[in-house]
Order: sequence, then C-alpha cells, then structure tokens
Amino acid sequence: KQEVTQIPAALSVPEGENLVLNCSFTDSAIYNLQWFRQDPGKGLTSLLLIQSSQREQTSGRLNASLDKSSGRSTLYIAASQPGDSATYLCAVSLQTGANNLFFGTGTRLTVIP
Amino acid sequence: AAGVIQSPRHLIKEKRETATLKCYPIPRHDTVYWYQQGPGQDPQFLISFYEKMQSDKGSIPDRFSAQQFSDYHSELNMSSLELGDSALYFCASSAKYRDPTREQYFGPGTRLTVT
Repeated sequence: KQEVTQIPAALSVPEGENLVLNCSFTDSAIYNLQWFRQDPGKGLTSLLLIQSSQREQTSGRLNASLDKSSGRSTLYIAASQPGDSATYLCAVSLQTGANNLFFGTGTRLTVIP
Repeated sequence: AAGVIQSPRHLIKEKRETATLKCYPIPRHDTVYWYQQGPGQDPQFLISFYEKMQSDKGSIPDRFSAQQFSDYHSELNMSSLELGDSALYFCASSAKYRDPTREQYFGPGTRLTVT
C-alpha cells in the first residue's frame, strides 16, 4: 500500500522567506504527483501536477520537483506571503490501478506578517 | 470553465439516518472519484467509477453505496449514519484516458455533520 508522508507537519516563517515543503512516498511506481492547497474547512485547490516522466513544474512563485527513484517531491515557495498560509497536501497516483490518489498528511504553513 | 459540482454543500443528519450526496463531473470527464476527509485528517479514497462502472474501491464502509448514472453524475448513498461519518466528502473527476496527465479536478466538497 502506498504511504505518503509530509515533513514538517507544521511550519511557521516570517513573510518574504523562501521555504521548502517535503513529501515522500513508499511506492516509486507512481503515475503522477499533485500538490494541493487547503484552507481551513475548505476544498482542495490544485497547485501543480508532475507526471512521473517529469522532474519539475513551475507556476508563479511555486516550484515542485520530483525524484521518483528516491520517492521524494519538494514544493518550493519563493518570497512567502501571509496569503500563502494554508495546509499543503501532496498526493500520488499509481501506474497500475484505477488512478485514485493517496494523500499525504499535510504541512500546515503559517506566514507571519 | 465548468468545474465539478457537488450538492448539497452542507448537510446535517441525525444518527441512523440516511444521506445522499451528489456529484456532477466536468463535461466529457469519464471517471468520478469519492474521497472522505475527517477532521484533521488527510482525504481517504472511497470509491471510483469509470464509464458508469465501478472501477476501484477503497475504504468505503458497507453502509455506503455509490453509483454513476447515464449522464455521468454520481451519487454516494450513506445509511445508518454514525457520528464518525461526520466529514468533508469530496468528489473529483478526470478524463482518465483522454488526458495523459490523468489530473483529478476536485469539487468544493459536501460537509456532512451527524448529530
């Protein structure tokens, strides 16, 4: 069974700082990896998707990298802003099976003004 | 662009009652997924449908059932509700074989509260 872990569980940084969130998964036979943002009690906002053949994806101040062989992904957030405060979830789908997502435990980010 | 629609957005039920959640996928998406997110937990996969047939089953209790209809909308039926069923229920859709990324697009969720 695919296990997805995110470290740290919580992170607090001052505004303007660059930061890295980590995601690791046990089964490297993934099809894709998605990073989501979730505000408290709200839905999931998709941030980036990396296919298994890709090494990284960028969107604005966000950059996600994937090292499939080592079972790791990182989400880099540049010049953090208070509006970035949220829980960030990574999720992977497997190459075999029905494409359902296995979610990580999330990192709760607080950006202090 | 059209997104995944879920209804109702909020639902309050009492123990042992029945609830039905609805999901309308993005047009031309052939696959629907249901996830459950308990308080403080990560979303857990419940069940999925591809072209109106059940595709995969996760940690869905026997008290729950689901189906996908001819218009591709899906319903999650939950019976004999328990306090522990209180959660956010997400529906997602994808164009599993037409979209090589197989990206899943999530609806806003239905918040179910069982009292």
